[in-house]
Amino acid sequence: NAGVTQTPKFQVLKTGQSMTLQCAQDMNHEYMSWYRQDPGMGLRLIHYSVGAGITDQGEVPNGYNVSRSTTEDFPLRLLSAAPSQTSVYFCASSRPTSGGHLNEQFFGPGTRLTVL
Amino acid sequence: AQSVSQHNHHVILSEAASLELGCNYSYGGTVNLFWYVQYPGQHLQLLLKYFSGDPLVKGIKGFEAEFIKSKFSFNLRKPSVQWSDTAEYFCAVNVRGKLIFGQGTELSVKP
Repeated sequence: NAGVTQTPKFQVLKTGQSMTLQCAQDMNHEYMSWYRQDPGMGLRLIHYSVGAGITDQGEVPNGYNVSRSTTEDFPLRLLSAAPSQTSVYFCASSRPTSGGHLNEQFFGPGTRLTVL
Repeated sequence: AQSVSQHNHHVILSEAASLELGCNYSYGGTVNLFWYVQYPGQHLQLLLKYFSGDPLVKGIKGFEAEFIKSKFSFNLRKPSVQWSDTAEYFCAVNVRGKLIFGQGTELSVKP
């Protein structure tokens, strides 16, 4: 299994440009999520999905869109990049426990995004 | 506001010293608790988790954590750290399907 994969690893954008960060998992996990990591702020949840066709907002959703057309893929779209979106972005996936709890999340290697 | 707080931003220890990293959360009701570790240049990995049962949880690499419900705490401990434990440590709480992270604690272990 490749686990959780993310592309690209690095990206530089100009303010106002759009792009899509790709995330895929081959573990048949229902739950997928996107986080951004900024120094001194830990990881903050952007959007998450509990299954194909279902997405919801996390702590910091503004400026980001997601969709979940398949179980495997969960792309994150920046429609109009801003310098405040300079960050490291992590995708993660997990499956629920039998009690409906959120189980261990498996993280991808991250995408380092710089917006000039 | 609901939050997860890690008291120490940067901890510096010598090898063989004992470690305790604090984590407090402000959510009521049922929570699931996690500690993740991020080694330099790597992505996050699970150290341990608590769902229910024995409040003393053992994880990988000799780490353990104690859930104290009355104090809303889930502190991470290790009796004797090694240089290879140098990393950033994150506490996280699952609240209604959302995983909320603390700010992280950077641990530096001097050989």
